Amino acid sequence: AQSVAQPEDQVNVAEGNPLTVKCTYSVSGNPYLFWYVQYPNRGLQFLLKYITGDNLVKGSYGFEAEFNKSQTSFHLKKPSALVSDSALYFCAVRDYGGSQGNLIFGKGTKLSVKP
Amino acid sequence: GAVVSQHPSRVICKSGTSVKIECRSLDFQATTMFWYRQFPKKSLMLMATSNEGSKATYEQGVEKDKFLINHASLTLSTLTVTSAHPEDSSFYICSARIAGVTDTQYFGPGTRLTVL
Repeated sequence: AQSVAQPEDQVNVAEGNPLTVKCTYSVSGNPYLFWYVQYPNRGLQFLLKYITGDNLVKGSYGFEAEFNKSQTSFHLKKPSALVSDSALYFCAVRDYGGSQGNLIFGKGTKLSVKP
Repeated sequence: GAVVSQHPSRVICKSGTSVKIECRSLDFQATTMFWYRQFPKKSLMLMATSNEGSKATYEQGVEKDKFLINHASLTLSTLTVTSAHPEDSSFYICSARIAGVTDTQYFGPGTRLTVL
């Protein structure tokens, strides 16, 4: 069965410093991987996705993620964090087992960026 | 582009009443919409998959008679929580997938349901 794991419940970063939010995946075939961000009491906003191609994927708001097949990881990164990046981040993988291709989400990582 | 709206954003109802939540894709057609439930500080739990013009597919453990889903058009899906109880209080989020494009889902802003 497909799954993703976000090992950190919370990540704390100082504004201006680089940030990394970790995600590892487990799939039986080629993974379709996604990152979403959720601000308080809001729905999820799409950040970026990896389907095929370059391992480094660039997304919205200056975020990027690196697909690493050998480590089965898809960590989210940003070179310089902003206070406004503080939110809940979800990694997700497309569920090949489901008939509709729904997404399986990690438990989420709360990112806190302090000024 | 790819905007999904939900209405209402917040609803408070009495126990035993029914509540309808609408999910609309504003600038694209969505043959498939998904309904999720999110508990505080928890991940999203897929409740059901809604396909335009056909019956919804419910995930294991989700009562289809309690959570009625109707996907009557390519831009609208509704979730009706019937005979709501306090334990149904939650944050309900829908997402839509663009017709013909099968990977990315676009999410609505969510509906906060509180059952008294």
